[in-house]
Amino acid sequence: QVQLVQSGAEVKKPGASVKVSCKASEYTFTGYYIHWVRQAPGQGLEWMGRINSNSGGTKSAQKFQGRVTMTRDTSISTAYMELSRLRFDDTAVYYCARESGDSSGYYHFDYWGQGTLVTVSS
Amino acid sequence: DIQMTQSPSSLSASVGDRVTITCRASQSISSYLNWYQQKPGEAPKLLIYAASSLQGGVPSRFSGRGSGTDFTLTIDSLQPEDFATYFCHQSYSIPYTFGQGTKLEIK
Repeated sequence: QVQLVQSGAEVKKPGASVKVSCKASEYTFTGYYIHWVRQAPGQGLEWMGRINSNSGGTKSAQKFQGRVTMTRDTSISTAYMELSRLRFDDTAVYYCARESGDSSGYYHFDYWGQGTLVTVSS
Repeated sequence: DIQMTQSPSSLSASVGDRVTITCRASQSISSYLNWYQQKPGEAPKLLIYAASSLQGGVPSRFSGRGSGTDFTLTIDSLQPEDFATYFCHQSYSIPYTFGQGTKLEIK
């Protein structure tokens, strides 16, 4: 059974950084992109960026460019998302999700991590 | 960026009802449209991909239609476990974007 298991909740001060991990199992890690999506309390879903788990190439939303770093360690099938210079409005649940494509090339997120709550508080 | 607009933002219905949620894209996205269900405290769950393909294990009372800019998610014969929030998602171009969500509540 495919699983994405994320690291635990974090509490950080404004200006600090947080690094969230996403460990994949029961599939070939390098065969799929991993995306990061966040959800502020009571709000909708916001796409942050994605990493090519094979090459390590990344793309991120313009809003997060310069603050977000996505990496992966293929030896342990784990993706990471680091967000720096944290602000109060970065308080959210952060999800990783696996992107799959069907035979026609339509992409979707078929598996999600359980989410990691990051709280930014002074 | 492609804007995704869902309607309604909330909806009250009864068990057994048929409901339809609409999602409109700010430009054509072909069939690069996915639907997810999210329950409180849980991660989103994929229901429909490529506008109309049912994800494995999802009940057949869920269906999706549309292409271009206008899409619908229909749930036939609502069940108690269907009361949740639903999001559309375009995977046509980066940055990927989501609709704001539709909260389906019990009447």
